[in-house]
Amino acid sequence: DAGITQSPRHKVTETGTPVTLRCHQTENHRYMYWYRQDPGHGLRLIHYSYGVKDTDKGEVSDGYSVSRSKTEDFLLTLESATSSQTSVYFCAISWDVYNEQFFGPGTRLTVL
Amino acid sequence: DQQVKQNSPSLSVQEGRISILNCDYTNSMFDYFLWYKKYPAEGPTFLISISSIKDKNEDGRFTVFLNKSAKHLSLHIVPSQPGDSAVYFCAASAEGSSGDKLTFGTGTRLAVRP
Repeated sequence: DAGITQSPRHKVTETGTPVTLRCHQTENHRYMYWYRQDPGHGLRLIHYSYGVKDTDKGEVSDGYSVSRSKTEDFLLTLESATSSQTSVYFCAISWDVYNEQFFGPGTRLTVL
Repeated sequence: DQQVKQNSPSLSVQEGRISILNCDYTNSMFDYFLWYKKYPAEGPTFLISISSIKDKNEDGRFTVFLNKSAKHLSLHIVPSQPGDSAVYFCAASAEGSSGDKLTFGTGTRLAVRP
């Protein structure tokens, strides 16, 4: 398995609080991604990174920001969490185009 | 608009029989397709892929078929085993799409009955 960890694995927070999720890889893959998984929607891309300090928006980026200061770490921040951001968040990595993405174990976030 | 569609949310098959999972897409620019398998409380794991220059790719019990004219792909699992019970996602990407972005379907839950 690709070396991808996510922290925390579970988090419960209140509406309006900031939340940061961390993805850490040991594979030195160039691309990193954040997805959310919701019933009826499958996996939807939030943001992705194609190198250190190089990031771009995905399909559902509103309310989220990301940062990548090192190759191995990709942070997802909810500046002010809302109940609609209750979801399971997955980080993924890939080496290059036409390479499959490897996924982390996920973070279950509940916003009350 | 859902560019990758898995119209069957669930499928149940008998152990030893064939499982066929279907996926349709609308974006004619898609040229690389993947299937992922997901167990509860785990991240998706890559299963098999196919490029648009092929119409079939096989890996052990898993075969993916691509019909470009119909914009349809299917995953065949033969023979099905109880351990195959999981949610299966198809995904697609287009050459030149920045960041190697994948568009996922909504998933099909496969249950293999012993």
